Amino acid sequence: DVKVTQSSRYLVKRTGEKVFLECVQDMDHENMFWYRQDPGLGLRLIYFSYDVKMKEKGDIPEGYSVSREKKERFSLILESASTNQTSMYLCASSRTGEGVFGQGTRLTVV
Amino acid sequence: AQTVTQSQPEMSVQEAETVTLSCTYDTSENNYYLFWYKQPPSRQMILVIRQEAYKQQNATENRFSVNFQKAAKSFSLKISDSQLGDTAMYFCAFMTYTNAGKSTFGDGTTLTVKP
Repeated sequence: DVKVTQSSRYLVKRTGEKVFLECVQDMDHENMFWYRQDPGLGLRLIYFSYDVKMKEKGDIPEGYSVSREKKERFSLILESASTNQTSMYLCASSRTGEGVFGQGTRLTVV
Repeated sequence: AQTVTQSQPEMSVQEAETVTLSCTYDTSENNYYLFWYKQPPSRQMILVIRQEAYKQQNATENRFSVNFQKAAKSFSLKISDSQLGDTAMYFCAFMTYTNAGKSTFGDGTTLTVKP
């Protein structure tokens, strides 16, 4: 069964901490994405990557960075977590079509 | 830029009945995909159905079907014989051929199936 796995289901961090959200896929997909999901706002694209060591900004990249050192792994980094980054974070991967999603990480910044 | 609009934040339906979720989009592209995703409570988002814009025939997957009106830029989802397990948030999404995998999502419709 093909999978996108996010390292944590729930995470609580303190304001100012550096936070790493990890995502791994086993489908050999070239494309990987990080979305943020908030009530009433749908899914908003933070960053995406079409290849190893490649990254592009999405619609809301401020306060975030990413890393893709290996094809199967795409990490989202919150350099200094703030309370307005409390949200559900979804990772997805794809080849040429629709995305396959991970189970999501609910991050709370206190 | 593409936009996707879901005008129904919440809907409900009785078990075994039929419900239609609405979606409209705006684009100047001619080649694209449209998707409906389902996100059950506290569970993973999964693809329900996909439509390619060049295909005139509406996509169907078991109890799920779409009404794709390209000229009107409308893409509604019909769920027939609704089941309790259909309770979920449903997202409409748009993707151009040139931006593989990079989708624009609507705000979602929360569907509740009542016994």
